[in-house]
Amino acid sequence: DGGITQSPKYLFRKEGQNVTLSCEQNLNHDAMYWYRQDPGQGLRLIYYSQIVNDFQKGDIAEGYSVSREKKESFPLTVTSAQKNPTAFYLCASSIGRGRKDQPQHFGDGTRLSIL
Amino acid sequence: QQQVKQSPQSLIVQKGGIPIINCAYENTAFDYFPWYQQFPGKGPALLIAIRPDVSEKKEGRFTISFNKSAKQFSLHIMDSQPGDSATYFCAASNVSNFGNEKLTFGTGTRLTIIP
Repeated sequence: DGGITQSPKYLFRKEGQNVTLSCEQNLNHDAMYWYRQDPGQGLRLIYYSQIVNDFQKGDIAEGYSVSREKKESFPLTVTSAQKNPTAFYLCASSIGRGRKDQPQHFGDGTRLSIL
Repeated sequence: QQQVKQSPQSLIVQKGGIPIINCAYENTAFDYFPWYQQFPGKGPALLIAIRPDVSEKKEGRFTISFNKSAKQFSLHIMDSQPGDSATYFCAASNVSNFGNEKLTFGTGTRLTIIP
């Protein structure tokens, strides 16, 4: 069954700690995205990657870092510099390669909370 | 800043009624307008999408109406059912330039269909 797997489903962070959220896809998609969802604010783009070993900042990249060493994987690290990390984090992917009208497919998210 | 404004924030409709959710955008370069449906604890799923060369698109009970001159688009749900209760997001992107659907999302509408 093709799809996007995010883990863990729930994550707790202590003060001063970095945490990494996992995102794996088996859709053979080139493009991958990370969004943050807060109540009443919709989805905001953190980082995106169009191809392996390349990624760009989105609208709210401060306090976050990513890597794209494999096509299937796009982990997001929430660093201690992110002062308000409590949110629902969503990973998405799309075919990419300049093809138009290809939808983004989402995982089921990771809910991050501060201890 | 690119924005997509969505209204209402929440909506309660009786079963069989036609909820209407509205979105307005500012960036005239946007050329792809998808709607996503999200259930609690899940990631958004693509519902229906439209390009600006058509004024209306139907898929099952879901219809998008698009007004290019007013820079507005809306989602109508015909014969609404309790199972349609979810949060709905409109979005917009410029696929012609970017090619990878860097989506800008509205803030969401929480829809409740009462029996």
